[in-house]
Amino acid sequence: DADVTQTPRNRITKTGKRIMLECSQTKGHDRMYWYRQDPGLGLRLIYYSFDVKDINKGEISDGYSVSRQAQAKFSLSLESAIPNQTALYFCATSDTGLGYGYTFGSGTRLTVV
Amino acid sequence: QKEVEQDPGPLSVPEGAIVSLNCTYSNSAFQYFMWYRQYSRKGPELLMYTYSSGNKEDGRFTAQVDKSSKYISLFIRDSQPSDSATYLCAMSFSNDYKLSFGAGTTVTVRA
Repeated sequence: DADVTQTPRNRITKTGKRIMLECSQTKGHDRMYWYRQDPGLGLRLIYYSFDVKDINKGEISDGYSVSRQAQAKFSLSLESAIPNQTALYFCATSDTGLGYGYTFGSGTRLTVV
Repeated sequence: QKEVEQDPGPLSVPEGAIVSLNCTYSNSAFQYFMWYRQYSRKGPELLMYTYSSGNKEDGRFTAQVDKSSKYISLFIRDSQPSDSATYLCAMSFSNDYKLSFGAGTTVTVRA
C-alpha cells in the first residue's frame, strides 16, 4: 500500500457542488499539507497542519476548508466548486526537518464543469 | 514577482547528454534548497537536498547553490530516458518550515 493515499484519483463535479478530497498516511508523520498544481504555476500551498490540533492557511486558501480528523487523515473540501478550481491536488506529509523531504500522494485530478 | 522562478521548458535532449536546470529566487532568507522529480501521474519525490551555498553530488546528479546570485542549479550527467520527468525546485527559510516550489521544468530524454 502507498504511504500517502488520496481518494478519489479523478473526479468531475459541477459548479456549485460541495466536494471532499481525502488523504490518509501510514508514515506516522505529524505534518500534512494540501497543494494544488497548475501548469506554469507549480505547487501552491492551500492548507497545512503540523499536528492534529493545528490548522494553518497557505497562500491560496480562499474557497477551501480542511479537517484533520486524526494524525493519519487530512481532508480538503471545496464548499462550492467553481471552474477555476480545476487542478491536480496533492496531499503530502513530512517529519520535522526537511532533509527527508515531503512524501506526496499520487494526486487527485479534479475537473469542475 | 513570484518568489521562485523556474523556466517550464520543455527541454528535450538526446540520451547521454548533460541536462542543466535552474531556478532563481527573490528572498535572500531562503537557506534550504531541494530538487524534486515528478513522473507523469505521480506525486513529486525528493531528489536532492542542500543547505546554504555550495555543491552536492549524488551519482549522476549535482546540485549547486549560489546564494549571492540567488540561483540554484541541477545537473544530470549521462542522461537516460528514465530521467524524463518534471523537475521542481523548492526552498525554505529554515529546516523546519514549509516549502516554496518553482513551476517545474519538463525534461524529455530521447533514446
